[in-house]
Amino acid sequence: DTEVTQTPKHLVMGMTNKKSLKCEQHMGHRAMYWYKQKAKKPPELMFVYSYEKLSINESVPSRFSPECPNSSLLNLHLHALQPEDSALYLCASSLRDRAYEQYFGPGTRLTVT
Amino acid sequence: GQQVMQIPQYQHVQEGEDFTTYCNSSTTLSNIQWYKQRPGGHPVFLIQLVKSGEVKKQKRLTFQFGEAKKNSSLHITATQTTDVGTYFCAGPIGNDYKLSFGAGTTVTVRA
Repeated sequence: DTEVTQTPKHLVMGMTNKKSLKCEQHMGHRAMYWYKQKAKKPPELMFVYSYEKLSINESVPSRFSPECPNSSLLNLHLHALQPEDSALYLCASSLRDRAYEQYFGPGTRLTVT
Repeated sequence: GQQVMQIPQYQHVQEGEDFTTYCNSSTTLSNIQWYKQRPGGHPVFLIQLVKSGEVKKQKRLTFQFGEAKKNSSLHITATQTTDVGTYFCAGPIGNDYKLSFGAGTTVTVRA
């Protein structure tokens, strides 16, 4: 099974809402990632978890809060977002966090109104 | 800032023709990875090159890693409509080996 799943596929939220994005993989990968992708741009790294511990935070605003409950799950909690946060949010996983190929989920298309 | 550069940004190809996209890094890379993202889709891992001068083929796709491990290319022969999408190269950079993506080459095909 080489699949990374993400829910929901689409999300529309107001600037005062709180919502969560979910990601799951069952490949035994020990590194998981959150990326943000704007139209016609490459994925932009937000967070890296390695062995369920946060190893990289790319100076992401605190309105984005990641969580890794176990080695298969990754969440991204959203609060008080801005319209410019509208984007495709991609989860990815890799065997380890050092230079291994990454497997991406289908993404959550987020619109902030 | 972005440390892996990729050209061209757009490639408009007649069906059946060949094309090449190029990737360059300012630093030596331990490996180079290539991903494809179809319109409306997500990046899908294609291949990883590790050795200096390495060449790998996947059907009509030929991937090459430069001798100095600072550049790479993807060559597609006899382009088909199924090749439409954006091709990203990516290389691990820095002490924490974060994957740095190139800007991508978006390929459209004229039938």
